[in-house]
Amino acid sequence: KNEVEQSPQNLTAQEGEFITINCSYSVGISALHWLQQHPGGGIVSLFMLSSGKKKHGRLIATINIQEKHSSLHITASHPRDSAVYICAVIPPWFEDTDKLIFGTGTRLQVFP
Amino acid sequence: EAQVTQNPRYLITVTGKKLTVTCSQNMNHEYMSWYRQDPGLGLRQIYYSMNVEVTDKGDVPEGYKVSRKEKRNFPLILESPSPNQTSLYFCASTKGTVSYNEQFFGPGTRLTVL
Repeated sequence: KNEVEQSPQNLTAQEGEFITINCSYSVGISALHWLQQHPGGGIVSLFMLSSGKKKHGRLIATINIQEKHSSLHITASHPRDSAVYICAVIPPWFEDTDKLIFGTGTRLQVFP
Repeated sequence: EAQVTQNPRYLITVTGKKLTVTCSQNMNHEYMSWYRQDPGLGLRQIYYSMNVEVTDKGDVPEGYKVSRKEKRNFPLILESPSPNQTSLYFCASTKGTVSYNEQFFGPGTRLTVL
């Protein structure tokens, strides 16, 4: 079993729909990253969070440390949101490592 | 412009021929890292460096070497490439530590080993 699981693996939506992508992890963490990989291959960092909720434009990321779960929400989805969304976790500080553990990604396609 | 650059972007080589993929960042970041991405396996960390002369293994370090002699550069060295190292490689950098800050990724290097 992977230490970081994402669901769904693939997601299609109509423009305007509300999207939720989930990330569950089985290890302790100090932080979690959400990344976006565009169809051309480039990767950008969307959020880094260790508690609570962050919002940037139409994107909202939440994390529940007790439940070991994070969600990425996209409101009013648009075809340009079509990408692979990847979550990655960092082990806690007392493990003395800055290694990242990645989920395998969620491929989102938004149709007009 | 703040950026992470990788060279080359595309490389086709043969088994056993040593190669180096360069990575450079102009943001004075402490943390740098190399990842490989394979279909069905996602991103996996190869090596990372928390500062000059400090490097640590990621999940898949076998067959790779790195060095961090200067803060801005973090080359990835394949001493004797093999076909199972055919992959898409990304370099990334972060200010401080990834536990607190976002990562900046390079454009990727697509490597094919014949």
